[in-house]
Amino acid sequence: GENVEQHPSTLSVQEGDSAVIKCTYSDSASNYFPWYKQELGKRPQLIIDIRSNVGEKKDQRIAVTLNKTAKHFSLHITETQPEDSAVYFCAAQKRDMRFGAGTRLTVKP
Amino acid sequence: EAEVAQSPRYKITEKSQAVAFWCDPISGHATLYWYRQILGQGPELLVQFQDESVVDDSQLPKDRFSAERLKGVDSTLKIQPAELGDSAMYLCASSLLEDTGELFFGEGSRLTVL
Repeated sequence: GENVEQHPSTLSVQEGDSAVIKCTYSDSASNYFPWYKQELGKRPQLIIDIRSNVGEKKDQRIAVTLNKTAKHFSLHITETQPEDSAVYFCAAQKRDMRFGAGTRLTVKP
Repeated sequence: EAEVAQSPRYKITEKSQAVAFWCDPISGHATLYWYRQILGQGPELLVQFQDESVVDDSQLPKDRFSAERLKGVDSTLKIQPAELGDSAMYLCASSLLEDTGELFFGEGSRLTVL
């Protein structure tokens, strides 16, 4: 099955700085790559996703890039705010959806 | 706004007892997932259903776990007997599309095994 690796496991940035989280996947047939945000005690929620026929997607301060050749994709958050503090999960899907281990992002005011 | 419903929200049980969790996906969502999330880790896929059929249960510990979705709508995940290591959040999610599409998660069922 698909194996998704995510790093770093923790990331601390100053408010206003950028944050980058990276993931690699093992199955070249995977074609859908979402990112979920999970705040403490809450359910994961989709923040952005990308499909395999696209290299980059942006939504306001959040962007995702995909390199199919290298089998890795990244989440970029610009102008971070304290409310961005949460755990972020990447995932990859061919038929079943597999998640990375998560990155705990802390944005310091 | 439609949501995935799960129950119970919390369950405390003693080891060797049986436990069951229920999930009702968003209406019209044919794909249903059960994930286990241990504190500080990512969701681990236990089983995926497409309608009433199992798509993937390769990571389901079948000696003690079972899952069913008899009519292709709601689903039950059972653990018997429960072990200390089963303590975790059990998340149900549903999706409109099978291969690509947003997963909508329920609030989860937190299991504590004593």
